[in-house]
Amino acid sequence: DGGITQSPKYLFRKEGQNVTLSCEQNLNHDAMYWYRQDPGQGLRLIYYSQIVNDFQKGDIAEGYSVSREKKESFPLTVTSAQKNPTAFYLCASSPPWGNTEAFFGQGTRLTVV
Amino acid sequence: KNQVEQSPQSLIILEGKNCTLQCNYTVSPFSNLRWYKQDTGRGPVSLTIMTFSENTKSNGRYTATLDADTKQSSLHITASQLSDSASYICVVSAQTSYDKVIFGPGTSLSVIP
Repeated sequence: DGGITQSPKYLFRKEGQNVTLSCEQNLNHDAMYWYRQDPGQGLRLIYYSQIVNDFQKGDIAEGYSVSREKKESFPLTVTSAQKNPTAFYLCASSPPWGNTEAFFGQGTRLTVV
Repeated sequence: KNQVEQSPQSLIILEGKNCTLQCNYTVSPFSNLRWYKQDTGRGPVSLTIMTFSENTKSNGRYTATLDADTKQSSLHITASQLSDSASYICVVSAQTSYDKVIFGPGTSLSVIP
């Protein structure tokens, strides 16, 4: 059953802690993305990766880091440098974006307590 | 500046009625436009994708139109069902660029009995 899986669904973090969100896909897609969604706003791109061992900053990369050691996996670390990390985080994957569909995971809701 | 605007921000309709959601964009150069449906707390799911040469595309009770000259798109939902309650997101991609994918803020649709 192909798809893209994010975990955990809910995550709580204390201020000053780093936390890592998982994203795994078995669709054999080259490209993977991380977006942040805040109420009343469109999704904003944090990082994207077109190929293993390569990734690029998106519009709001500050305070975040990623790795792409395997084609299937694209974890996102929210560091203590991210001043307003509470949000809904979505991971997506696609063949080269073009006119093909992007598949989204179910999201991780991160709350700083 | 690349932008995607959607209207209305929110909409409430009675079950069985039709409705139309609007999307205006200024993304250039245009590649494609997609409509996604996002249930609360879940990842977006693609409904339709249209390229420059396509004026209309249907997916069941969902029909999307595109006017590339005026840079407007609409999503028409026929005979609404309670399960149509969700956020509908318009997404516009610039040509051949992984990071030039602009998400609209979404329209929140509530279908009531």
